[in-house]
Amino acid sequence: DTGVSQDPRHKITKRGQNVTFRCDPISEHNRLYWYRQTLGQGPEFLTYFQNEAQLEKSRLLSDRFSAERPKGSFSTLEIQRTEQGDSAMYLCASSGGGSGYGYTFGSGTRLTVV
Amino acid sequence: EDQVTQSPEALRLQEGESSSLNCSYTVSGLRGLFWYRQDPGKGPEFLFTLYSAGEEKEKERLKATLTKKESFLHITAPKPEDSATYLCAVRLNASNMLTFGGGTRLMVKP
Repeated sequence: DTGVSQDPRHKITKRGQNVTFRCDPISEHNRLYWYRQTLGQGPEFLTYFQNEAQLEKSRLLSDRFSAERPKGSFSTLEIQRTEQGDSAMYLCASSGGGSGYGYTFGSGTRLTVV
Repeated sequence: EDQVTQSPEALRLQEGESSSLNCSYTVSGLRGLFWYRQDPGKGPEFLFTLYSAGEEKEKERLKATLTKKESFLHITAPKPEDSATYLCAVRLNASNMLTFGGGTRLMVKP
């Protein structure tokens, strides 16, 4: 297992376009998280899945954002009608449950909205 | 409101100069406190989890401690390869999300 994979690594898009990111968690992990990180800040929680169920969503997750995890495997995060304020690093993490285990993060997708 | 604050925001050390990073938190119902290391352009890398006041964990030149209001990450005789941003995060009871502090950017000069 090579850890948490995210695709693409970088995305440049024009304002108003839709973008979709993919996350492949560690295969035996049933919990998956999306975070957003802007320069010089810590990651901010967006949403959490346990298997295929989306159990927590942040107030940050406006109605332009949607996330799915079909069949409890990979996940996608879609941003519709992108705005310049959406420019950030989008991080995915997974965990196998149990509070003691650190969540394993992917390398992120850096989004630039021009 | 739950808050996690890290200090200092940036720290410059000479190689071999030991120091400590601080993470103070104001939360209700702490389930765990996490430390991560993040290199530029990469995702956070897990270092430690601490659960209760008085607990300590060590890994190479790093040692994390926890009290009821704060955690410290002690770096002993740092090397240039320890240069990174160090993030702390808390997990609360009845929640699966981590709330992160703003991080401390550590630079170790040879």
